[in-house]
Amino acid sequence: EVQLLESGGGLVQPGGSLRLSCAASGFIFSDYAINWVRQAPGKGLEWVSSISGSGGSTYYADSVKGRITISRDNFKNTLYLQMNSLRVEDTAIYYCAKGPSAVAGMGRGWFDHWGQGTLVTVSS
Amino acid sequence: EIVLTQSPGTLSLSPGERATLSCRASQSVSNNYLAWYQQKPGQAPRLLIHGASSRATGIPDRFSGSGSGTDFTLTISRLEPEDFAVYYCQQSGSLPRTFGRGTKVEIK
Repeated sequence: EVQLLESGGGLVQPGGSLRLSCAASGFIFSDYAINWVRQAPGKGLEWVSSISGSGGSTYYADSVKGRITISRDNFKNTLYLQMNSLRVEDTAIYYCAKGPSAVAGMGRGWFDHWGQGTLVTVSS
Repeated sequence: EIVLTQSPGTLSLSPGERATLSCRASQSVSNNYLAWYQQKPGQAPRLLIHGASSRATGIPDRFSGSGSGTDFTLTISRLEPEDFAVYYCQQSGSLPRTFGRGTKVEIK
């Protein structure tokens, strides 16, 4: 059974940093692209970032480009999201979501399994 | 960026009725890479449909997707009590991947 477990969320001041993790199990981690999708309180879904199965290709939404870095450790079956220069508008539940293939770019980019999410609150 | 417009915003129906949800894209979705998700309060989204019309594993056949190009539809043939939720469409034909704002299916 595919399982994705996010951690690392919490309360941080504007301008601060946070690193999220997503521990994966139940599938061959390196064979699949993994993504971060966020949802602000009471709002819709927003794609944040994607990384290919090998980790060699990464993609970001314009709203986070330059402030956020996605990475993965295929030996530890873990995905990361390093978040810097956080803003109030980054407040959201952050979900990691598995893709259907190793490719992270255009094309087969739906999200077939999701974690339960971790809440990031940016506030002074 | 492809903007996805979902309609209606809210659909009020009774169990057993048919639900028809629309998702319109601001430009053609490459290879019909259009997916649908269901989200219930306090839960993560669940994939229902990918590639516009392919049901995800374990999804009941009362859920069906159709459409191509810029116009897509999710149909729930007979609403079960557990189907009342928010539904989102999402495209991955181009970057950035984008979602619609959602349609809430509520009990009438």
